[in-house]
Amino acid sequence: QKEVEQNSGPLSVPEGAIASLNCTYSDRGSQSFFWYRQYSGKSPELIMSIYSNGDKEDGRFTAQLNKASQYVSLLIRDSQPSDSATYLCAVTPSGGYNKLIFGAGTRLAVHP
Amino acid sequence: GAVVSQHPSRVICKSGTSVKIECRSLDFQATTMFWYRQFPKQSLMLMATSNEGSKATYEQGVEKDKFLINHASLTLSTLTVTSAHPEDSSFYICSATSRGAQETQYFGPGTRLLVL
Repeated sequence: QKEVEQNSGPLSVPEGAIASLNCTYSDRGSQSFFWYRQYSGKSPELIMSIYSNGDKEDGRFTAQLNKASQYVSLLIRDSQPSDSATYLCAVTPSGGYNKLIFGAGTRLAVHP
Repeated sequence: GAVVSQHPSRVICKSGTSVKIECRSLDFQATTMFWYRQFPKQSLMLMATSNEGSKATYEQGVEKDKFLINHASLTLSTLTVTSAHPEDSSFYICSATSRGAQETQYFGPGTRLLVL
């Protein structure tokens, strides 16, 4: 089974701080990586995608990818209480399939 | 853009009945639709992948005769839970990809199923 692993948390950060969420994956051939946010009782919503090594920034969010280390992370700057949610890392498996393998998610709690 | 809807949002049914859930892509043509199930405090588990006009591909351990999937058009896929039992109670979520971005999945709002 090709796996995606995340720390379940909760990760607790104060408002205004940087939240760092990490994800490792086992399939070395994976090429596409996604971060989704899921509020309790709701479906996931796409935050960012990243396909090449390095950083990708979008507003307060920065995704980082290191394929050699099979590691992808999400940084949230100036964290807000509204960022409190479960963050899901998703990876496309090698073999040309367009399905996603999800990690179990990290619960983030931003406290005022 | 890339809006996916699901209907119904919530359904309660008696054990032994069948329930149909619809998934629609509202502003794009969905080349592929995916069906997931999520139990409380667990991650999404892919049930099946469906392409318009062809049979769905089910993940290992998912009973294709119990979870019937029909992808009749480029904007509509349906999941029918046949002879539902209490252990089928879960949050069912569909997602869809478009021709131009086949690896990006956009999720519907989900359907919460409770089988009594």
